[in-house]
Amino acid sequence: NAGVTQTPKFRVLKTGQSMTLLCAQDMNHEYMYWYRQDPGMGLRLIHYSVGEGTTAKGEVPDGYNVSRLKKQNFLLGLESAAPSQTSVYFCASSYSQGRTNVLTFGAGSRLTVL
Amino acid sequence: GNSVTQMEGPVTLSEEAFLTINCTYTATGYPSLFWYVQYPGEGLQLLLKATKADDKGSNKGFEATYRKETTSFHLEKGSVQVSDSAVYFCALSRESGGYNKLIFGAGTRLAVHP
Repeated sequence: NAGVTQTPKFRVLKTGQSMTLLCAQDMNHEYMYWYRQDPGMGLRLIHYSVGEGTTAKGEVPDGYNVSRLKKQNFLLGLESAAPSQTSVYFCASSYSQGRTNVLTFGAGSRLTVL
Repeated sequence: GNSVTQMEGPVTLSEEAFLTINCTYTATGYPSLFWYVQYPGEGLQLLLKATKADDKGSNKGFEATYRKETTSFHLEKGSVQVSDSAVYFCALSRESGGYNKLIFGAGTRLAVHP
């Protein structure tokens, strides 16, 4: 099983450029999430989706947009990249949304903004 | 607010040593508690979880007990192996605005040497 696949794995951008990170899951999960991981700060939720066609803001949504046009895909976009968005981005998905919910993560996408 | 505090790393041990990684939390009510592990170059994966006070989660020789009186969920292993080298994240799940939010600690890097 592929699980959660993220592309690209690495990307270097210049300030002001735009890009899209793609997340694909093959587990028929309803819920999908985008996190960023920064040193000393753990993972912080950017945006999430509770189903196809829906998205919602997490803790740190500013500067990012998302779309969930198909159930298996969750796209994270940066319209005008800033150095503060240099980070490792993780996509995750889950079958349910309860308090005992377990997330399946992708391998991460490392983004550097110069 | 809700938060998770982990001991700072890196933690460096010799093979077969005893491991403890401390985790304490702040939350109202009764969160679920998790340990996720991130091996080099991979995404996070669930190591173990506990959903109520005094529950013990265990997996792959790792254990953690949900201690409500001390608001702690310390991770332990009796004899570590080189293959346990990874970053370990403590997390809690709490309902917030109709969504079960997963809050992560900053992570603790473990390096095990032969």
